[in-house]
Amino acid sequence: DAKTTQPNSMESNEEEPVHLPCNHSTISGTDYIHWYRQLPSQGPEYVIHGLTSNVNNRMASLAIAEDRKSSTLILHRATLRDAAVYYCILRDPLVNFNKFYFGSGTKLNVKP
Amino acid sequence: DVKVTQSSRYLVKRTGEKVFLECVQDMDHENMFWYRQDPGLGLRLIYFSYDVKMKEKGDIPEGYSVSREKKERFSLILESASTNQTSMYLCASSGPPAGPYNEQFFGPGTRLTVL
Repeated sequence: DAKTTQPNSMESNEEEPVHLPCNHSTISGTDYIHWYRQLPSQGPEYVIHGLTSNVNNRMASLAIAEDRKSSTLILHRATLRDAAVYYCILRDPLVNFNKFYFGSGTKLNVKP
Repeated sequence: DVKVTQSSRYLVKRTGEKVFLECVQDMDHENMFWYRQDPGLGLRLIYFSYDVKMKEKGDIPEGYSVSREKKERFSLILESASTNQTSMYLCASSGPPAGPYNEQFFGPGTRLTVL
């Protein structure tokens, strides 16, 4: 399975944008990029996903590099509630549509 | 509001005990999953089930078994608990694959300590 690499931790100030990077140099043409986050003492929750084009939803934006070997999750205005571990996951729905491979993720700390 | 519930938030058991972790979802989802989460290792898939009475091994099934007698309930069984099974256990469910999406919904987790 294609692997992702994320920084162990990042820090941000409240109400500032946050850019969380993810490298996936071995991504295949049919891999989708998913982001989940895990708030303290909770299970992970879905944030966003995409294939080639940039994506926006109410929680975040996903910017995908043209060669698809990296992507960035963008939180436009970080709040204290956004402090969590963020996971970047590759999934090929044609091969393992049920399997999500979570790495160690990036722990985001948001300072007031 | 969609919900995945797990029977306990915290559980302490002794080595050699048989342990049951229960998970219930109210979304009529076909697929259910059990993960364990350990520091530095992220989430690792133990077993999953795509239908009642059906199961498939994940990446670390050794020492575990599962049971799915009803669609809404998925149980993880530690036949003889060992200290290296001390971990956070997370249950998740998802509906039928809708293209690439197939969001997984997670429960709050059960922190199991085996003494």
